[in-house]
Amino acid sequence: SAVISQKPSRDICQRGTSLTIQCQVDSQVTMMFWYRQQPGQSLTLIATANQGSEATYESGFVIDKFPISRPNLTFSTLTVSNMSPEDSSIYLCSVEGRDEQYFGPGTRLTVT
Amino acid sequence: KNQVEQSPQSLIILEGKNCTLQCNYTVSPFSNLRWYKQDTGRGPVSLTIMTFSENTKSNGRYTATLDADTKQSSLHITASQLSDSASYICVVSSGTYKYIFGTGTRLKVLA
Repeated sequence: SAVISQKPSRDICQRGTSLTIQCQVDSQVTMMFWYRQQPGQSLTLIATANQGSEATYESGFVIDKFPISRPNLTFSTLTVSNMSPEDSSIYLCSVEGRDEQYFGPGTRLTVT
Repeated sequence: KNQVEQSPQSLIILEGKNCTLQCNYTVSPFSNLRWYKQDTGRGPVSLTIMTFSENTKSNGRYTATLDADTKQSSLHITASQLSDSASYICVVSSGTYKYIFGTGTRLKVLA
């Protein structure tokens, strides 16, 4: 199994600012995934982060808005840039284990 | 279009009662189907994972079924407890790192 921690757990930010979310895994993993969960909605994949290469973004998500870093095999960051109220969501980090997917506790972001 | 639909959207039951949540999917190719429990303010936690050839899988009071012919799955909760109050998410994998998430069923168990 994998234990994932995220920081911050929640934040309230003003529009136009940026927030960087950190994700730490207790074991080395090749792929890390970032998801967004808007209120009342299911999870939507933002991007896949490989160590040592550029992240791969899903349709509708761009690097300028959601830059991702993956400096090593246990850590990744997601930045939500130039925030607007529409970015208010829970952001979740995830890794793939042998037979299942593990999720972090999430970062609840509110943009005012 | 790959889709995963869950019903009901929300459900309220009394403690000790049983309930069944439904998941219908149109995903191809199919790799496996997973049920997750997501407590408020937490990330999803895996309950069961089933491949094409598996019909039933249990995890304590949780029993998942899969009918690959009709592309339907269910999650049955037996003797519900207050701690079962959560969202339950059905996820279908269509290949390596490809997951289609349902919108979830929000379950509330009352004392």
